[in-house]
Amino acid sequence: GESVGLHLPTLSVQEGDNSIINCAYSNSASDYFIWYKQESGKGPQFIIDIRSNMDKRQGQRVTVLLNKTVKHLSLQIAATQPGDSAVYFCAENMGGGAQKLVFGQGTRLTINP
Amino acid sequence: ETGVTQSPTHLIKTRGQQVTLRCSSQSGHNTVSWYQQALGQGPQFIFQYYREEENGRGNFPPRFSGLQFPNYSSELNVNALELDDSALYLCASSDPGAGELFFGEGSRLTVL
Repeated sequence: GESVGLHLPTLSVQEGDNSIINCAYSNSASDYFIWYKQESGKGPQFIIDIRSNMDKRQGQRVTVLLNKTVKHLSLQIAATQPGDSAVYFCAENMGGGAQKLVFGQGTRLTINP
Repeated sequence: ETGVTQSPTHLIKTRGQQVTLRCSSQSGHNTVSWYQQALGQGPQFIFQYYREEENGRGNFPPRFSGLQFPNYSSELNVNALELDDSALYLCASSDPGAGELFFGEGSRLTVL
């Protein structure tokens, strides 16, 4: 069935280190992928997106890598800061007319001082 | 630019009751989507509205219904509430040509 999963439910990193959050998706027809950050009590906040015709995209302190061969997505956060503590979700757009996003379960990122 | 706003932020209902949640889309966005997020889970797509018509629906029963108004605001209605309907209900708006969804802060529904 439809599923977007994450390899690790929790991730702890030292402040200043780089963080890598992984995601496996199941639908090879998905053409658009997004990473969202969700802080406690808030709605998901867009971080970065990537289309299926790309394998890498960089933003400010964040990089998304897409490997379509193994249906794997990753989010790299450089120089992790306390404000990066949140739950991170990957989501895939199944394509077609509606922007129907399928979200993974999420990875909780905690930053150790 | 005004972001996505939702109301109410919290509400408590009992089984069998009905609830209406409201959403105002971000300025300039004509597409609204609703998602249900159970505790500890990722959001699940309920349905999407574009130009006042339903444009895609997830695996939710008919007691979940919606509306979109000419000003692009939207309502989510849930009838015959069940305990499992307890969740954070998220509204997101977008331009149909763009992939990015902008989410509101959600309405947290508790069904007792």
